Amino acid sequence: KQEVTQIPAALSVPEGENLVLNCSFTDSAIYNLQWFRQDPGKGLTSLLLIQSSQREQTSGRLNASLDKSSGRSTLYIAASQPGDSATYLCAGIPSESNTGKLIFGQGTTLQVKP
Amino acid sequence: NAGVMQNPRHLVRRRGQEARLRCSPMKGHSHVYWYRQLPEEGLKFMVYLQKENIIDESGMPKERFSAEFPKEGPSILRIQQVVRGDSAAYFCASSPGTGGRRNQPQHFGDGTRLSIL
Repeated sequence: KQEVTQIPAALSVPEGENLVLNCSFTDSAIYNLQWFRQDPGKGLTSLLLIQSSQREQTSGRLNASLDKSSGRSTLYIAASQPGDSATYLCAGIPSESNTGKLIFGQGTTLQVKP
Repeated sequence: NAGVMQNPRHLVRRRGQEARLRCSPMKGHSHVYWYRQLPEEGLKFMVYLQKENIIDESGMPKERFSAEFPKEGPSILRIQQVVRGDSAAYFCASSPGTGGRRNQPQHFGDGTRLSIL
């Protein structure tokens, strides 16, 4: 059974720091991977999607990479801002799945202090 | 340019009642996924539907839960005879369905928070 672990569970940093969030899958056979942001009481906002043929994606201050051999992904946030405070979720589609259902980690709750 | 719309945002039911949760996908999207987020837990897949078809319901409890996505109108997640353990946030996501069901990002609604008294 595929499980997803996100480390750390919570993180508090001063504004301006660069930071890395980690995600790992028990089964490294991942078809693609998506990083989301969830604000309290809100839904999920898609940040980055790493397709099956890709190894990383970048959007603004965010960079996500996926190592398929190990089943690990990292989300790098550069020059963090208080507005980045949220819970970050990684989710993958297992390779054996043909339906697109996502398997989620429990998230990393980030607080960026001014 | 509306995103995925879920209603109601909050729903309170007493034990034994029925709960109906609605999801209107983004315009042009024909694939709908339902996920549940229990307190202090991550999101868990429940069911995946295309118009008029249930494709994968492997994450949905066998009893009391059902889902549909009719040709016209929103997708409905129905919970009969609700119990306290059904209290959770229920999220709907949609994707275009073109270009391969696994290759498109899923776009999420703001969820329905279900509370069972």
